[in-house]
Amino acid sequence: KQEVTQIPAALSVPEGENLVLNCSFTDSAIYNLQWFRQDPGKGLTSLLLIQSSQREQTSGRLNASLDKSSGRSTLYIAASQPGDSATYLCAVERDSSYKLIFGSGTRLLVRP
Amino acid sequence: GAVVSQHPSRVICKSGTSVKIECRSLDFQATTMFWYRQFPKQSLMLMATSNEGSKATYEQGVEKDKFLINHASLTLSTLTVTSAHPEDSSFYICSARDSTVSSYNEQFFGPGTRLTVL
Repeated sequence: KQEVTQIPAALSVPEGENLVLNCSFTDSAIYNLQWFRQDPGKGLTSLLLIQSSQREQTSGRLNASLDKSSGRSTLYIAASQPGDSATYLCAVERDSSYKLIFGSGTRLLVRP
Repeated sequence: GAVVSQHPSRVICKSGTSVKIECRSLDFQATTMFWYRQFPKQSLMLMATSNEGSKATYEQGVEKDKFLINHASLTLSTLTVTSAHPEDSSFYICSARDSTVSSYNEQFFGPGTRLTVL
């Protein structure tokens, strides 16, 4: 059974700092991995999707990496801003069924 | 980007009543939609996969007779919580996949519906 874990559960950093969020999964046979952002009481916004054959994806200040063999992914946020404060979720798609298995999330607070 | 809407955004009901939640893909067609439930400070748990024109498939532990799903068109799926109880209070989120995209699977999520059962 695939399990997705995110560490840390919560993170508080000063504005401008670079930071890394971690995601691990128990079964390396994944179809793809996605990172999402969720603001309080809101739905999810897709940030990055990494297909199983890829090693990383970049969008602006965000960079996500994927190491299937070790069951790990990281989300790197450069020059963090208060507007980045949110919960970040990673999710793996276990097969071509399109079903996503989510981690518990990392609550990020960027202090001005 | 593609937009998914949910209605209502918030609903409060009495125990024993039924509540219907709508999920719409506004600018794309979705043969497959997904329903998730999220309890406070927890992650999303997949409840069921909604398939246009056929029966939904439910995840293990989810009662299909309690959570009725109808996907009658390519842009609308509904989740009905029947005989709601306080333990059904949760944040319900749907997602939809653009059926015309044959490559990677990007799912678009709705804004969620906060259900409170008194």
